[in-house]
Amino acid sequence: DAMVIQNPRYQVTQFGKPVTLSCSQTLNHNVMYWYQQKSSQAPKLLFHYYDKDFNNEADTPDNFQSRRPNTSFCFLDIRSPGLGDAAMYLCATSRDGLEQYFGPGTRLTVT
Amino acid sequence: DQQVKQNSPSLSVQEGRISILNCDYTNSMFDYFLWYKKYPAEGPTFLISISSIKDKNEDGRFTVFLNKSAKHLSLHIVPSQPGDSAVYFCAASSTDRDDKIIFGKGTRLHILP
Repeated sequence: DAMVIQNPRYQVTQFGKPVTLSCSQTLNHNVMYWYQQKSSQAPKLLFHYYDKDFNNEADTPDNFQSRRPNTSFCFLDIRSPGLGDAAMYLCATSRDGLEQYFGPGTRLTVT
Repeated sequence: DQQVKQNSPSLSVQEGRISILNCDYTNSMFDYFLWYKKYPAEGPTFLISISSIKDKNEDGRFTVFLNKSAKHLSLHIVPSQPGDSAVYFCAASSTDRDDKIIFGKGTRLHILP
């Protein structure tokens, strides 16, 4: 089945220790997104790729970086996680920028 | 400044009755609207959408109504089933501007037996 896969599902990292979250897709969609979602909040877009074009949201902290080495994979790097970065991180893909298909998310805990 | 607002954090509905989830938006450039459903520990899944050229779209038990003049849309689920218990996110997009959609905070729907 075509899908969006996120690994790991749960990630625990220490304060200030870099962490990388990964996302892969078998849908062959050209747009990939990273969202941060905290409890009872709307998913907040961090950045997205349209093909290889990177689009950063204005309020995304510099602490968050992303890489998309090919169509199928996208990574979220958090260079120095703080306690406030604990959240669910959602990856999504889209063919047309409208309907987005989400992965199951990675829940990040910062200790 | 929320562009997509879901003012009811939660809603409880008896099984078999109609569930109505509401959503308001402020940006008049939005022309495409979506509803997503989210179970705990899963990512949101697309449910139904509507373009601004329509005022109603139906898919099985799910119907979305759009009132452009009021900048309001609603999702109707009838009849409500236990498996409908989830968080529902309203989302909106401006199709000629970018590839992004803006989400509301969600409404948690509880279907009561």
